[in-house]
Formats: sequence, structure tokens, C-alpha cells
Amino acid sequence: EIQLQESGPGLVKPSQSLSLTCSVTGYTITSGFHWSWIRKFPGNKMEWMGYITYSGSTNYNPSLKSRISITRDTSKNQFFLQLNSVTTEDTATYYCARLEDYTYYFDYWGQGVMVTVSS
Amino acid sequence: DIVLTQSPALAVSLGQKTTMSCKTSQNVDNFGKSYIHWYQQKSGEQPKLLIYFASNLASQVPARFSGSGSERDFTLTINPVEADDVATYYCQQGWEFPLTFGSGTKLEIK
Repeated sequence: EIQLQESGPGLVKPSQSLSLTCSVTGYTITSGFHWSWIRKFPGNKMEWMGYITYSGSTNYNPSLKSRISITRDTSKNQFFLQLNSVTTEDTATYYCARLEDYTYYFDYWGQGVMVTVSS
Repeated sequence: DIVLTQSPALAVSLGQKTTMSCKTSQNVDNFGKSYIHWYQQKSGEQPKLLIYFASNLASQVPARFSGSGSERDFTLTINPVEADDVATYYCQQGWEFPLTFGSGTKLEIK
């Protein structure tokens, strides 16, 4: 069974960087698909942030392009989110998810991790 | 960016049929496929894929759920509604990047 699990600090100070890890079991991230980060803001708005492909290419939401980086560690079957210069508006629940290529739907999701940006 | 518009909430009685809409700011059809996908998110849980390409039921999703529509106008139907269906339902377009979501429709039981 494919499972994704997010981990990382639940509290980040403004202007610092937010760093999260997604650990994948049941599927090797280099075998296929795009590995995405999505966030859900208070009030329920959802935003796709970006992905890293099985081959290591990335694609980011232009709204975040200057602040976001998605990388991976294939030896640990993990991928990572780094979001720089955070503000209180980055407070959200962050999900990692597997994205089907060509169809572009998310078929497996992590449980999510809530991150609050506050001093 | 493609904007997806959903009504914020609806209330329905158990055993009844309900429909919820998702309207897109541009056509999301290509070669006979509509790049609209639907998710169910229950309180405290992660989203779950329900429907892909507007009308295809995802694995292990009950046949009470169905989807329809084309171009810019899409519908998710639940018939009959069960207590377990209380959730927020999101549509998402996979037609172009950035991928975008609707604001969600919260389903409640009368």
C-alpha cells in the first residue's frame, strides 16, 4: 500500500524558512509520477505549490516561484519542501501527494501537517 | 490561472439525491476528456480522490457517487446521500499549470 507522511516543525517564525519532509512507502519515487506539495489555508482555500518528477525535474506555482524549492533524497525515498521568507499568510496545513502524469490528478495524499507562522 | 467556482454549502436529507456544481473560467476539455477531478475531504482527514476526468469513479469509491459535465460546467452527484458523506467536496482542474482547486462545497445533513 502506498503511503505518504509529512513531517516537520509546526511553528516557524516570520522571515525564516519552512522545511518539510514527505516520506513515501510502498512506491519508489524514482519509478514514476510527480511528487507534489499542496497547502490548505484556514478558510479552506487549497493551493498547489509544486512538484518534483520521478526524474528530478521540478515545476512550481508561479505565485511561489521565488521562494520555493522542492528536492529529494532517493536513497531515503523522501522529497522535501523549502519555502523561504515566510509570513503569517503561509500559515496552512501542508500536504504531500502523488500526482498522475498527463491526467494531473492527485491519487495518494499524506495526512497533512499544520504549520503556523508566528513570532 | 483557471478559476473554479463552487457553491459554499448545501444541506440535504439522508437518502436523498444531491448535486453540486463546479464551473471553470475556461474550457478544460481536450480530445474528449474533461480535465476536472473531484475530491472528498472529511474533517481532520486528507483529501480523497473520488472522480477523475469528470466522470470516472476512482478505486473503491461507492457507486452512489457520479460525475458529469463538459467544457466549463461540471456536476458531482451523490445518490442516495449517507451520513458518512458529510465532508467538503473540491473540484480541481488538471488542464493547465498552475493546477487550481475550487473553494469547496460543504455538505451537511438536514
